[in-house]
Amino acid sequence: QVQLVQSGAEVKKPGSSVKVACKASGGTFRTHTINWVRQAPGQGLEWMGRIIPFFDTTNYAQNFQGRVIITADESTSTAYMELSSLRSDDTAVYYCAIENGANAFDTWGQGTMVTVSS
Amino acid sequence: SYVLAQPPSVSVAPGKTARITCGGTNIGSTGVHWYQQKPGQAPVLVIYFDTVRPSGIPERFSGSNSGSTATLSISRVEAGDEADYYCQVFDRTSDHQLVIFGGGTTLTVL
Repeated sequence: QVQLVQSGAEVKKPGSSVKVACKASGGTFRTHTINWVRQAPGQGLEWMGRIIPFFDTTNYAQNFQGRVIITADESTSTAYMELSSLRSDDTAVYYCAIENGANAFDTWGQGTMVTVSS
Repeated sequence: SYVLAQPPSVSVAPGKTARITCGGTNIGSTGVHWYQQKPGQAPVLVIYFDTVRPSGIPERFSGSNSGSTATLSISRVEAGDEADYYCQVFDRTSDHQLVIFGGGTTLTVL
């Protein structure tokens, strides 16, 4: 059973970038599709994008095109989400999640709080 | 882009059945997934592909999907079922919005 452990909370200035890590343990990392989902305080879930390490392919949500880069390092079984040009409304909990064969997210990381404040 | 509509809130008495809907154009032709999220916790998958319960999810949780509405049903509701619930679909026709979530429904156990 794969488990996902994410990096710790971040506080960033507007205009800067943040890179959140998601390390997988157990299972075969490269065969999983890793998604990133965020949740602003008191709001719903918002899909950001995903990566398929086996094919080294990515898909990004239109709202984040040009601002987000998702990568994966197979040697450390770690996926990364980098969001640039941060704004105050990027303040949210960022989750990574593994997609199963039915395109449902059956394993989630614990979440990483990113606060954007001057 | 495709939109999933959920009621903001649903209330139910303990022991009764809660039904949470997720509306979308012709949603019955695609698989719908449901997540439970309790305060301060990551979401948990409770139903996928309309009706399938992951291992460890009680039989009290069930799903259906037809026409323009998918439904998550929770029978014999308990206080511990109080949470936010989200529906989700995978839109293969889109290049830029593959994954769509509903706005979420807060289930209150009276």
